[in-house]
Parts: sequence; C-alpha cells; structure tokens
Amino acid sequence: DTAVSQTPKYLVTQMGNDKSIKCEQNLGHDTMYWYKQDSKKFLKIMFSYNNKELIINETVPNRFSPKSPDKAHLNLHINSLELGDSAVYFCASSQAPQRGGAQYFGPGTRLLVL
Amino acid sequence: GESVGLHLPTLSVQEGDNSIINCAYSNSASDYFIWYKQESGKGPQFIIDIRSNMDKRQGQRVTVLLNKTVKHLSLQIAATQPGDSAVYFCAENSAAGNKLTFGGGTRVLVKP
Repeated sequence: DTAVSQTPKYLVTQMGNDKSIKCEQNLGHDTMYWYKQDSKKFLKIMFSYNNKELIINETVPNRFSPKSPDKAHLNLHINSLELGDSAVYFCASSQAPQRGGAQYFGPGTRLLVL
Repeated sequence: GESVGLHLPTLSVQEGDNSIINCAYSNSASDYFIWYKQESGKGPQFIIDIRSNMDKRQGQRVTVLLNKTVKHLSLQIAATQPGDSAVYFCAENSAAGNKLTFGGGTRVLVKP
C-alpha cells in the first residue's frame, strides 16, 4: 500500500552517463514534484507537474528533464551526469497545485556520481 | 549510509520531556505552513500543517504555533520518545503552484 514510490533507491554511476529515476503515486493526486536534497539536508524543489503539465520549473540545468506519462507517474531523466549531481532526489505528490495542500514524499533515490 | 547532516542545529532532549523546535520564515505573504519529520534514510513525513488564519493547531502529541507578527513557527512535541529522533523541517507556501520553501532543518536527539 505504498503511497509514493521511487526506483531505484540507490544509483551509483560514472560522470557523463545518462540515468533515469522513476516515481509513482497511488494516492490519486493530480500534482507531482521532484526535490533535491544536498549533503547538508537542504531540500529544494526542482519541478512540479499538474496532470501531466509542467507548472513549476526552478533554475535547474537543462540536463534534467522530467517526464510525466500520466498523472500517477513523474520520471526524472538526467543527461551527462556531473559530480555535483550527487544528492538524494525525492518525488512528492499533492492533491492539487493550488496553495495550501500538503505534499507527501517518496523514500528518495540516493544518487552518487563518481 | 547517507550523510547525516552534521552541520544541522541539534536539539538534545531527555526521553519524556517536551521538545520545542523553532523556525523563522522569510516571506510575509506565506499563508500555509507544514512541519515534516525525516528519519535517517527515509523521505520527509508530513506531521502537521497550519494556515495563516490560525495561530495554533494541535495534533497527536504535537502542537504548531504560528506568530505572523515576527514570522515565527514552532513545533512542540509532548513527552518526547526515542522514535521522535529525526530531522524536522518547516516549510512555507509562498507562491502560486503550491511551491514549498523548506527551512534548513533541526535534528532532534532523544536521550534515554
């Protein structure tokens, strides 16, 4: 009965590679998000999709491309991985994109770029 | 294991005591606030939220207080238990599109 799930949990890869992280939510929510958490635990939003449409796009390198095949899934593809991309990436979802809705987070994907 | 955020402010509390975690937010236009708990190796877990038309909200063993005058939010945990050991984040919703801005986090260590 997992609410927000992500795969893989761990991802170790070489610089320059391309990788994808998948996220699925079974909460029936319309909005999904990607966050990055750095080594100091600072959490920052990267993207938000509402019903497959991009609504938030923070200042993120264009090597990062989110894709939402349907409103229950939001995947994150990263091209040409760099050392600085090493972080924990969290997917989240909420019922609606309007202000004032709680966001529910997945377990995270720990990315290490060597 | 993953990094444990060694630079985080830390609150050490005796088991059974009450804990108070403070958060200063930046945007006076923020009208919705959430507290999250993050245990080691897990994602942030929703604890409690509050809207700006309230100054206090209570949950199970937790109370959130909001002081809009000084832009301050606090989370009180009653009778702190070992399972409360985690990093706690406040988040504010200050822009369209339900964009949450997170604070830096406070680590709570419960001593038996």
